Amino acid sequence: GALVYQYPRRTICKSGTSMRMECQAVGFQATSVAWYRQSPQKTFELIALSTVNSAIKYEQNFTQEKFPISHPNLSFSSMTVLNAYLEDRGLYLCGARDRNTGQLYFGEGSKLTVL
Amino acid sequence: GDQVEQSPSALSLHEGTGSALRCNFTTTMRAVQWFQQNSRGSLINLFYLASGTKENGRLKSTFNSKESYSTLHIRDAQLEDSGTYFCAAEGAGYQNFYFGKGTSLTVIP
Repeated sequence: GALVYQYPRRTICKSGTSMRMECQAVGFQATSVAWYRQSPQKTFELIALSTVNSAIKYEQNFTQEKFPISHPNLSFSSMTVLNAYLEDRGLYLCGARDRNTGQLYFGEGSKLTVL
Repeated sequence: GDQVEQSPSALSLHEGTGSALRCNFTTTMRAVQWFQQNSRGSLINLFYLASGTKENGRLKSTFNSKESYSTLHIRDAQLEDSGTYFCAAEGAGYQNFYFGKGTSLTVIP
């Protein structure tokens, strides 16, 4: 079946340091990967949409300088949160879109806590 | 403004009963997906619809693109159905999925 492995599951980092998270699609080919942040209040924010061989599209309030993304092939994507501060806390989720069905499959999320 | 309006925000059901969750869209959507988020934060796929109705066990979902809404019906609710349910709709012409704010479901014995 289709699965998305996301790691690490949780990170605690000091203010001003960085956190990298990775997603691997297994059992399907992902045409695109969307990175979301879920706030403690459960609201989802789309950070960026990454499509292989295309430019990564960042949403308003999110930049490549702060959230650089690498998407080298149809099964792997990574995102880094640079210089993390309190407002960057939350659950970061990657959603990989199945090339054949269009369905999104999510990893289990990477929870970021900033001290 | 929000493109996906999900209701209700919270719902309590006694075991064995049922109800419906709804998402209204303010723009034309190509497809909708429903998820259950468990206590660990994992998003479990329930349905993906580009149109029509799908059923899986005690769950049924409908997507009406023309009238800009989708519903998720739960019948014979069980304790393990508790969690937060989200709809996510795909905008036409773009690949983004936009999430509703979720429905927190509590099933009471």
